[in-house]
Amino acid sequence: DVKVTQSSRYLVKRTGEKVFLECVQDMDHENMFWYRQDPGLGLRLIYFSYDVKMKEKGDIPEGYSVSREKKERFSLILESASTNQTSMYLCASSPGTAYQETQYFGPGTRLLVL
Amino acid sequence: RKEVEQDPGPFNVPEGATVAFNCTYSNSASQSFFWYRQDCRKEPKLLMSVYSSGNEDGRFTAQLNRASQYISLLIRDSKLSDSATYLCVVNLFGQAGTALIFGKGTTLSVSS
Repeated sequence: DVKVTQSSRYLVKRTGEKVFLECVQDMDHENMFWYRQDPGLGLRLIYFSYDVKMKEKGDIPEGYSVSREKKERFSLILESASTNQTSMYLCASSPGTAYQETQYFGPGTRLLVL
Repeated sequence: RKEVEQDPGPFNVPEGATVAFNCTYSNSASQSFFWYRQDCRKEPKLLMSVYSSGNEDGRFTAQLNRASQYISLLIRDSKLSDSATYLCVVNLFGQAGTALIFGKGTTLSVSS
């Protein structure tokens, strides 16, 4: 079974803090993704990566950065957390082959920024 | 025009009922289609892929209509455990990173 893990299930941070969200997958997947999910807005793509050290902006990259130094790990960084970044953050990975587009999600991190 | 649209519901049905969800997508070049299921406060999980010829998995049937650009999910003999949010998902081949586009989901509540 594919396993995607996220470093924290719940996180409380203060405005202005730097926040690191870690994601690790154990299936040697090429692609990794970070989404946020908010009521009424659905899943929105923040950043994705299709290779080590490669990254692409998604639909809402502002206020976020990412790092992928190793294939299995994809980090999301909030340089200076703001209250509008309170959300559920979901990491996902996919094999990267043309006919296997299924994404596997981690359990999510609920971030509260005070 | 939104890329993937679903009726948010909620659909409230009794056990044993048959319920159908539709989803429309805007990009005619979309190549892959999926239904994901998301339980309350959990991550989305793949329910089934949607193939051009239609496919069935137990009580679940998925259909694709390329001409009208919609996907459907039919659930027969609903169970209490089917209560969840169902996400329609499409992918456009050729996009770097094979990013998926998610609908906002349709909520199903099955009651006894």
